[in-house]
Amino acid sequence: GAGVSQSPRYKVTKRGQDVALRCDPISGHVSLYWYRQALGQGPEFLTYFNYEAQQDKSGLPNDRFSAERPEGSISTLTIQRTEQRDSAMYRCASSLVGGRPSGNTIYFGEGSWLTVV
Amino acid sequence: GQQVMQIPQYQHVQEGEDFTTYCNSSTTLSNIQWYKQRPGGHPVFLIQLVKSGEVKKQKRLTFQFGEAKKNSSLHITATQTTDVGTYFCAVDTGRRALTFGSGTRLQVQP
Repeated sequence: GAGVSQSPRYKVTKRGQDVALRCDPISGHVSLYWYRQALGQGPEFLTYFNYEAQQDKSGLPNDRFSAERPEGSISTLTIQRTEQRDSAMYRCASSLVGGRPSGNTIYFGEGSWLTVV
Repeated sequence: GQQVMQIPQYQHVQEGEDFTTYCNSSTTLSNIQWYKQRPGGHPVFLIQLVKSGEVKKQKRLTFQFGEAKKNSSLHITATQTTDVGTYFCAVDTGRRALTFGSGTRLQVQP
């Protein structure tokens, strides 16, 4: 597609439920990133992939969070047993070139707003 | 860990006034990127600076990278209402993907 596509755009879920957020990166982009952005804050790194390999997941807050990119394209961020503190904007981004982000322009999607009630 | 501090957090200017936001790091940076996020939008890449003392211009925007590569600034000359948004710096920490600053929110009064 023309840009990074995320779905759903808005998700309201009850505490304790699992949610899956989907990201479809720009076609041909090697690297895919997940960030979380609270209101009034900058994006906070969660994890990233080069192709299907998860390169760094050190930003995931705890083991309720996981991500996969099984075929090196679409990625899913899953949050199990959601808690109210998980409420945030979850942004996916992709870049053409893999490896270190230096020199790579990363393109963000519109994000998925998650509200846990 | 790597932290970047951005100041100010917020600035309100009259249209036509200049605006500057600063990004400071406690460690030497390999490079720095700047992004703009319009209200309700997503961060959009503006520029990357790599060399010590580098200065780049994009129309009314001037980006500078400090000589010691520990700080950077974005200056907007004669702001317009289209400049409204939050400006983020982002750095490569070497371990994770880009680490973003907390941003400077710019409001322009017409």
